[in-house]
Amino acid sequence: AAGVIQSPRHLIKEKRETATLKCYPIPRHDTVYWYQQGPGQDPQFLISFYEKMQSDKGSIPDRFSAQQFSDYHSELNMSSLELGDSALYFCASSLEGQGQETQYFGPGTRLLVL
Amino acid sequence: SQQGEEDPQALSIQEGENATMNCSYKTSINNLQWYRQNSGRGLVHLILIRSNEREKHSGRLRVTLDTSKKSSSLLITASRAADTASYFCATDGKRSGNTGKLIFGQGTTLQVKP
Repeated sequence: AAGVIQSPRHLIKEKRETATLKCYPIPRHDTVYWYQQGPGQDPQFLISFYEKMQSDKGSIPDRFSAQQFSDYHSELNMSSLELGDSALYFCASSLEGQGQETQYFGPGTRLLVL
Repeated sequence: SQQGEEDPQALSIQEGENATMNCSYKTSINNLQWYRQNSGRGLVHLILIRSNEREKHSGRLRVTLDTSKKSSSLLITASRAADTASYFCATDGKRSGNTGKLIFGQGTTLQVKP
């Protein structure tokens, strides 16, 4: 079965640079979530989209923005990168509209900011 | 962690033994989910238990939920070396008008020795 796809899998950036992370949800899933997991930490919710509209917002810095496109893929844009942004970034998808709360996670993008 | 505590933080057992992990949370929930994460990898969904359920089984997994104590436990029976991973509980932060962002516990690191 198709899973959540994230690209790139690894990314190295310098401070103050920008990064774009992409997420392709499971086909027909209508909701996308982004999470950030720092080293040794639990995942923290950043932002979510339902049917291409932002549905909830968590502890996402103003330097970050995200959107969901007409084909349901989502992109997380990160600007003015800081050392503390080094983390694993997960995307998850679900079929909220059908009442299916299980979130399926992608393999993550490991971002290293130098 | 936004959500609560997981207990123990680390657990080391021999293959064939049972492993029990506990999770406490702070807010009212619609459901609680358990995820597994191999080192630095993606989160794999294990089981979802709804707030009106007290116990659920899936293969060698048994999950209990006590909403009066705001706690859950995950039991892995007849553990295998391949069960070595971190285990997270996550509750839905669902409020009126919002989708089900997950709020994770701090995780339990399980090591199963062959």
